Amino acid sequence: GEDVEQSLFLSVREGDSSVINCTYTDSSSTYLYWYKQEPGAGLQLLTYIFSNMDMKQDQRLTVLLNKKDKHLSLRIADTQTGDSAIYFCAEKRRAGFQKLVFGTGTRLLVSP
Amino acid sequence: NAGVTQTPKFRVLKTGQSMTLLCAQDMNHEYMYWYRQDPGMGLRLIHYSVGEGTTAKGEVPDGYNVSRLKKQNFLLGLESAAPSQTSVYFCASRGEDRPQHFGDGTRLSIL
Repeated sequence: GEDVEQSLFLSVREGDSSVINCTYTDSSSTYLYWYKQEPGAGLQLLTYIFSNMDMKQDQRLTVLLNKKDKHLSLRIADTQTGDSAIYFCAEKRRAGFQKLVFGTGTRLLVSP
Repeated sequence: NAGVTQTPKFRVLKTGQSMTLLCAQDMNHEYMYWYRQDPGMGLRLIHYSVGEGTTAKGEVPDGYNVSRLKKQNFLLGLESAAPSQTSVYFCASRGEDRPQHFGDGTRLSIL
């Protein structure tokens, strides 16, 4: 199908690691992205990974890509209350002028 | 460094009224996009443009029109607003083989 799927909600305690999962649909997608949206704001690009990579690390963020299962994850180490937001994964498809298809978003709540 | 700027930030319309949302980017990006965000549905592409003078339909184009007369601006028009168009609208732009950068959104309510 067309959908990029994410779980709707994740709750963690401050200092723990958070793992947000995403399942995408197009095996020919070239890039996969993670965006963060804070309340009342636009989408902020967090990180992205090229489809020929398995892993990318950027400070507290680790992205894992399993192309066989079309599974993408975002791990946030030492999660802080400021990380509370909605996280969207998106895949960049080859067709349709490389349009970006977004998941429904995962709301991360970090409690003190 | 403004990035992607959307105006207005908020608007309330009555059914049947028309309005135009403006998106401006100062990064000399070729590609520009209009999305709408509704609860539980993520972002859906309305229209997009691959360069000045060009526009194309996205997933949910009905009830909207767009224009890209200048490279830096992408306008989204509602000719006759309907309550189903109540949403948060996001504009984005990108350069060649680069990620999309988003504006802060326009919250539109249609009564």
